[in-house]
Formats: sequence, structure tokens, C-alpha cells
Amino acid sequence: AQKITQTQPGMFVQEKEAVTLDCTYDTSDPSYGLFWYKQPSSGEMIFLIYQGSYDQQNATEGRYSLNFQKARKSANLVISASQLGDSAMYFCAMREGVYGGGSNYKLTFGKGTLLTVNP
Amino acid sequence: DSGVTQTPKHLITATGQRVTLRCSPRSGDLSVYWYQQSLDQGLQFLIHYYNGEERAKGNILERFSAQQFPDLHSELNLSSLELGDSALYFCASSANPRDRGNSPLHFGNGTRLTVT
Repeated sequence: AQKITQTQPGMFVQEKEAVTLDCTYDTSDPSYGLFWYKQPSSGEMIFLIYQGSYDQQNATEGRYSLNFQKARKSANLVISASQLGDSAMYFCAMREGVYGGGSNYKLTFGKGTLLTVNP
Repeated sequence: DSGVTQTPKHLITATGQRVTLRCSPRSGDLSVYWYQQSLDQGLQFLIHYYNGEERAKGNILERFSAQQFPDLHSELNLSSLELGDSALYFCASSANPRDRGNSPLHFGNGTRLTVT
């Protein structure tokens, strides 16, 4: 079963507008972390933002914020004031057992959403 | 710049051959992860090493192997290559998650493998 689901294969947004990229996840582990990464056409993976399952507030990093709805198991990325340079693939990822002292901290990734910012 | 170095950037080889991909993690990071990214499978976790020891295996084929050396650099060995092995291979490193569960993975720029 898919642990991370990104239902939007592609999204378009006008420059300077806000956009929300959807991410839902599935886990029975109470301690987990959610990450968003950006992959421009050049290929590198850039870490954007993190949300822990026990965090009381939604994470924010500059123009990026995370709309975390724990009961709905969703962690949507909001990009405000879109810029042309935001055009890229965006990946949602999850790490389970964050606080449990386990030994493997791999990230499981969704399929990604291709965001295109139009001038 | 993530601080993770991967070499080579591009690799073109023939079916049946063997290649080695190399990764140097960020200074101080003990964990190294290998991922494969292809159009049909997306980003797939292959293997995780922590301070020289294998910690977890994901969807890694038996034809693939990896190791992490005492200086913490890691190598991914791919043998008996098939056309379907063509992909972007990423190495990532992180701080010790036992201390910081929110440690993100810092990715290298990847090695683009093309099998012809």
C-alpha cells in the first residue's frame, strides 16, 4: 500500500500567487516526521520543510508552510508568492519511528507533483 | 550545495557490465542512504549504512551491493547491468537520527546511469 500519496501529477500557478500541493500519508506509528523536497530540472534534491507528528504548530520556512492536519493524515505544502524559480517537481516524504530509537531512518517518498509557475 | 559528493555525474555502459558509484557524505554525518529514481518507480530506497554497518535494505536487487568504508564514504556496486537499471542514483546523508529525529536527508546531485 502507498504510504505517501500525492494526487496531483501536475499543477499550474501564476507568478506571485499562492499554491497548495497535496500530500496524504498512511502510518500506524504515532511518531513520524514529514518532509518536503524540491527537485528542479537540474536534478538535485533540495530539502524544504519538516513537520513532526508531535509538533503543536504548523511548520513554516520562509515562503513555505505546511498545512498539517493530523486527523486527516494530510501534510500539504503551501508556497506563497510563487516565483518562476519555484517551477520544479515537489516530493512529500515520511520517516517513521522518529522518536522510537529505531535503527533505520529512511524516507519514503511520494510520486511527486510537477509545479509550473507561469509569468 | 548539500555537502554530499557523488561521482561520477554520468555513466554510460553496456548491458552485462559492472559499475561502481561513489558517495562522500557531509562532514560529520554517519548515515548514508542510497536511492534509485526512475520514471516508473519514482524514488526507491535501496540501502542504509550507519557508521560502516548496514542498517536496512529496501528494494535492492541481489545484483547490487553497497558498503561504507571507515572514512564514511560509500560505494554502490551494480553488476550484470540490464536496460532497466538505467536511472538516477542518489546518495544522501544525515545527522544521527537518534539525536535528531527531524534530521533531513541531504542529497548529492546523483549519478545518471544509462545502460545501452
